[in-house]
Amino acid sequence: DIQMAQSPSSLSASVGDTVTITCRASQSISSYLNWYQQKPGKAPKLLIYTASSLQSGVPSRFSGSGSGTDFTLSISSLQPEDFATYYCQQSYSTPPLTFGQGTRLEIK
Amino acid sequence: EVQLLESGGGLVQPGGSLRLSCAASGFTFSSYAMSWVRQAPGKGLEWVSGISGRGGNTYYADSVKGRFTISRDNSKNTLYMQMNSLRGEDTAVYYCTKDINSGYVRLCDYWGQGTLVTVSS
Repeated sequence: DIQMAQSPSSLSASVGDTVTITCRASQSISSYLNWYQQKPGKAPKLLIYTASSLQSGVPSRFSGSGSGTDFTLSISSLQPEDFATYYCQQSYSTPPLTFGQGTRLEIK
Repeated sequence: EVQLLESGGGLVQPGGSLRLSCAASGFTFSSYAMSWVRQAPGKGLEWVSGISGRGGNTYYADSVKGRFTISRDNSKNTLYMQMNSLRGEDTAVYYCTKDINSGYVRLCDYWGQGTLVTVSS
């Protein structure tokens, strides 16, 4: 199974900042990388699929990039509603669907 | 609007059984694969099982293989998960998710609100 590793595990930032979260796959997954956002007590929500495609309704301040084994999720001009936990997930070799351990984005 | 509504969670003793259901609406249910994803308290996401749109192909995580059975009734737009021989480590919120594909599981573009399963004596 392909393993996914995210860094950092947690991150503090202020409203208006730009932040970047990294996800690394244990082997090449081409561009088959997806990002989810989860707010406390809520279900996850798909943000980005195939590395850089924004899911419908997701604000353009979210962007994704990368291919092969290294990927990034960037959030520009952080808004209060962006403070959440973010997960990456590979869809190159499924099943199983495998997720990163999550990155918790907190308000500084 | 896509809606996924899970039910069937609760408290069960170790070794017991539980059946989860997920009622789907807002899309052509039989055209999409579906999955169950769980999240233990304070932990990350773990994919548990998936099923193709027509139900002919099923997939399981190693951690539940032989204990859990996924199924679907396309006439009722409902996904199921029969969970047997439950263990403490199965304690989690279980989410029903919709895929973008029909034949196999790839990603989860819609999620239900989740149902909590607690395995404890």
